[in-house]
Amino acid sequence: SAVISQKPSRDICQRGTSLTIQCQVDSQVTMMFWYRQQPGQSLTLIATANQGSEATYESGFVIDKFPISRPNLTFSTLTVSNMSPEDSSIYLCSVGSPNYGYTFGSGTRLTVV
Amino acid sequence: QKEVEQDPGPLSVPEGAIVSLNCTYSNSAFQYFMWYRQYSRKGPELLMYTYSSGNKEDGRFTAQVDKSSKYISLFIRDSQPSDSATYLCAVLYGGATNKLIFGTGTLLAVQP
Repeated sequence: SAVISQKPSRDICQRGTSLTIQCQVDSQVTMMFWYRQQPGQSLTLIATANQGSEATYESGFVIDKFPISRPNLTFSTLTVSNMSPEDSSIYLCSVGSPNYGYTFGSGTRLTVV
Repeated sequence: QKEVEQDPGPLSVPEGAIVSLNCTYSNSAFQYFMWYRQYSRKGPELLMYTYSSGNKEDGRFTAQVDKSSKYISLFIRDSQPSDSATYLCAVLYGGATNKLIFGTGTLLAVQP
């Protein structure tokens, strides 16, 4: 299965600022996924990122708040914009398919103060 | 109603016990079923992955899917302190969608 490197592993940010999270995969993949894990809640899909096209966002998530880049088949970034304390979560990237299952990165633990 | 329900625990068992972790889901259209293990401050690790109903065994772990009851289970035999983690079930429609829908996770503590 693919190996995913995600950084930063954690950060503490001031409200109103933005943070960009990077996700690097050790093999070429068509789709990359970004999830959010809020304290005490289940993982929720934010968006799916395909190389060469705009990301597809799930209900409740918008591009202005969570812009995503996918410049090539092994890399993606998620930006959390204009942060508020409610954005404090773990953000995870994932790759995979229905036939083989899905692998996750180690996550970025974000605290907004 | 949540699409996937999972008892959050915590569940505490003695070392060597058989652990049973369970989830229920609401939509009979789900076709793929997964179990993830998540250690503190780590990302989820795929443990078991099944398609449709039936059992799947891997070492000390057995995943069971009962589509008629919309019920999925993970059994851990001869539990070890290193099994202490949060266990997450996840379901997937399949086809063109890749959206995993997760339970909230069950926190397991195996006492030495």
